[in-house]
Amino acid sequence: DIQLTQSPSSLSASVGDRVTITCRASQSISGYLNWYQQKPGKAPNLLIYAASNLQSGVPSRFSGSGSGTEFTLTISSLQPEDFATYYCQESYSFPWTFGQGTKVEIK
Amino acid sequence: QVQLQESGPGLVKPSETLSLTCTVSGTSISGFYWTWIRQSPGKGLECIGYIYSTGKTYYNPSLKSRVTMSVDTSKSHFSLRLNSVTAADTAFYYCARGSFGAVTLFDYWGQGALVTVSS
Repeated sequence: DIQLTQSPSSLSASVGDRVTITCRASQSISGYLNWYQQKPGKAPNLLIYAASNLQSGVPSRFSGSGSGTEFTLTISSLQPEDFATYYCQESYSFPWTFGQGTKVEIK
Repeated sequence: QVQLQESGPGLVKPSETLSLTCTVSGTSISGFYWTWIRQSPGKGLECIGYIYSTGKTYYNPSLKSRVTMSVDTSKSHFSLRLNSVTAADTAFYYCARGSFGAVTLFDYWGQGALVTVSS
């Protein structure tokens, strides 16, 4: 299985900050990388698909980039509702593994 | 709007079978890949497998020997059975709609069902 490693595991940030989360794959996955946001007690919610495509209804402050083995999720100006855990997920090969998550907390 | 809802027992005894059903509304069952994903503190998010509307199934190799999925298009639901469960199978179980076109993504999820394996 492909291994995904996210960094950092957690971070503290303030409203308005620019936040960047990295996801590294154990092998090249081209652009087959999705990002999800999960809030406590809720299911994950799709933010970005195919590395850089914004899912319908997701605010434009979220963006994704990367290809091959290194990918980033950027929140350009952190909002109160963005405090959550973020997961990357590869869609290159079944069983489509997820990263371990990055928890974004209030500073 | 598209909604998915998991249902089933929240407590299962070790060595017994976990059974969950996901009821789908607001979308056709046809044309999508219906997926089970679980989340536990120890293993994070893990794709268990998926079933197409025709009944074709794909299971995670790590669970393949214990998993069975089925779909009932007339009732707009699909189901998961995981046998010989242990404490390691304790997790939140989510059903999700998979779109497998040029890219694979999970765009709608159920709220999740906590299943605890304990005697």
